[in-house]
Amino acid sequence: AQKVTQAQTEISVVEKEDVTLDCVYETRDTTYYLFWYKQPPSGELVFLIRRNSFDEQNEISGRYSWNFQKSTSSFNFTITASQVVDSAVYFCALPPLDDYKLSFGAGTTVTVRA
Amino acid sequence: DTGVSQDPRHKITKRGQNVTFRCDPISEHNRLYWYRQTLGQGPEFLTYFQNEAQLEKSRLLSDRFSAERPKGSFSTLEIQRTEQGDSAMYLCASSLRGDTGELFFGEGSRLTVL
Repeated sequence: AQKVTQAQTEISVVEKEDVTLDCVYETRDTTYYLFWYKQPPSGELVFLIRRNSFDEQNEISGRYSWNFQKSTSSFNFTITASQVVDSAVYFCALPPLDDYKLSFGAGTTVTVRA
Repeated sequence: DTGVSQDPRHKITKRGQNVTFRCDPISEHNRLYWYRQTLGQGPEFLTYFQNEAQLEKSRLLSDRFSAERPKGSFSTLEIQRTEQGDSAMYLCASSLRGDTGELFFGEGSRLTVL
């Protein structure tokens, strides 16, 4: 069974600080995808990034970057130079190999103060 | 706007009443998902459809819950004899089959059972 753990419940930072969100996952699949979604106060979950387990290369996309380490089953996500609009709940998610119904972590609430 | 839309956005009902939520997915998406989200938790999978076929139901979906997608377009989620424990946000998402896990979510329907 898939399991996603986000140990951080809340993070509060001042604008322009970097924020790193932790995600640890469990899966028996040898091939899998990992996701990060953002849920702003409006409630609509927004897809941010997707990573294939074959590719452990860490990347940067704008102010977002991620650190995928298969050896520790971690998929951490960093927001660089945070902005007030980044305030939201962030979810890490993992689907089973044969389908795309996502298993979400409990989420980390990020508050960016001006 | 061609995103996923849900109706109603908020519903307050008395225990024992029936409620129905509607979801209109993105028009070309053949997969439709229902999730439930309670305060402080990540979304939990309830059920999903591929076109009009309901392919999987979670054990969370008791006999009081029923979902349909009669013409493979919009979907309804009905809860009969509501209980206070049904109070939650009900999220709908859609995707294209084969598109690896990027779900497009609606803003959700918040149910409060008094």
